[in-house]
Amino acid sequence: GENVGLHLPTLSVQEGDNSIINCAYSNSASDYFIWYKQESGKGPQFIIDIRSNMDKRQGQRVTVLLNKTVKHLSLQIAATQPGDSAVYFCAENKNTGRRALTFGSGTRLQVQP
Amino acid sequence: DARVTQTPRHKVTEMGQEVTMRCQPILGHNTVFWYRQTMMQGLELLAYFRNRAPLDDSGMPKDRFSAEMPDATLATLKIQPSEPRDSAVYFCASGLVLGLVLDYGYTFGSGTRLTVV
Repeated sequence: GENVGLHLPTLSVQEGDNSIINCAYSNSASDYFIWYKQESGKGPQFIIDIRSNMDKRQGQRVTVLLNKTVKHLSLQIAATQPGDSAVYFCAENKNTGRRALTFGSGTRLQVQP
Repeated sequence: DARVTQTPRHKVTEMGQEVTMRCQPILGHNTVFWYRQTMMQGLELLAYFRNRAPLDDSGMPKDRFSAEMPDATLATLKIQPSEPRDSAVYFCASGLVLGLVLDYGYTFGSGTRLTVV
């Protein structure tokens, strides 16, 4: 798939370090949020989701934090690996009943071995 | 693993030609989306369907784009006539929405990379 934007924000980390990717979402009515990972030539892949009635959710090596006060979402990746190198998108789902996702512009994560 | 299948993976066509992209959603999923991804615009929603009925196609240029679901196993996106500005990667995604609840996001296909020359 295409990488988003000529000026895609890039986060470079060393292998083994923790990574934090941030996202500001747009709509205070959004009630469901998802982080996707997109590797070159592939479609977005679901990583983790969180509903608006939660502040934090953990998966395997990943944690999503939601701050509704400032409309901010973050993805934390523990012990980052070279295979984590990709573009990461946050997506929000507005509570309109129609359940369409609106995607952020993406952040490129580069993991240095 | 269940997956969303898109065909073709790559398409190069001349301006003015008709292009049809196909998507096989995951069996049992009731919601199908078409997204377009470009360098400048990122991921844009074009259209989506719930239980095969179109819910929203406001993201599509109506004069040249059309989206249909002739049956539950096939979604199509057609461009006629195609233009160079349509060059992009087109993704199909499917998911299961029950009432107001969406679980586990949507599953995306690998995309169709369209180049219009």
